[in-house]
Amino acid sequence: KAGVTQTPRYLIKTRGQQVTLSCSPISGHRSVSWYQQTPGQGLQFLFEYFSETQRNKGNFPGRFSGRQFSNSRSEMNVSTLELGDSALYLCASSLITSSGELFFGEGSRLTVL
Amino acid sequence: QQQVKQSPQSLIVQKGGISIINCAYENTAFDYFPWYQQFPGKGPALLIAIRPDVSEKKEGRFTISFNKSAKQFSLHIMDSQPGDSATYFCAASESNYQLIWGAGTKLIIKP
Repeated sequence: KAGVTQTPRYLIKTRGQQVTLSCSPISGHRSVSWYQQTPGQGLQFLFEYFSETQRNKGNFPGRFSGRQFSNSRSEMNVSTLELGDSALYLCASSLITSSGELFFGEGSRLTVL
Repeated sequence: QQQVKQSPQSLIVQKGGISIINCAYENTAFDYFPWYQQFPGKGPALLIAIRPDVSEKKEGRFTISFNKSAKQFSLHIMDSQPGDSATYFCAASESNYQLIWGAGTKLIIKP
């Protein structure tokens, strides 16, 4: 069974640009969550999608958005990038709810210059 | 009240020793307490989890101890090995809400 796939794995952007990250969950998983991981802040929850609907949202500005498609694949978008957005963005899938076992991808490492 | 406080931030243990990482929480509605292990360049992976109806759960060399009255839970790694060197995260959640994560503990096992 294939795991959670995130693309791209690495990317470099400049301030003011926008970025879109993609996540393909494990087959059959309907919940997709996104996290930002930085050395100083640990794992910060961005949002969770279930059946194409945002179910939970973390405390991030509106520049961070996401969506989920009918095949459960998800994308997140960050607009007007800031230097502080440099981080590892992790996607996690779970069968039904993000309060159970999460299966993480290897992440997309974003560097903002 | 939604925080999960994890300590220590980093830990160095000799090979064969016992590694202990602690977490504390405030929200008494939490009913699921997992520990995740993360190696460099990888996403976190579930290591072991416990529900508040038991005080201890053991899987191989890994044990969760849970103290409901103190609102604390801890991870014990017995006979620690260099391959256990990783970052460990505790977390907690209540049904249908997202996990609340601890800040992580970087564990180094010295050969």
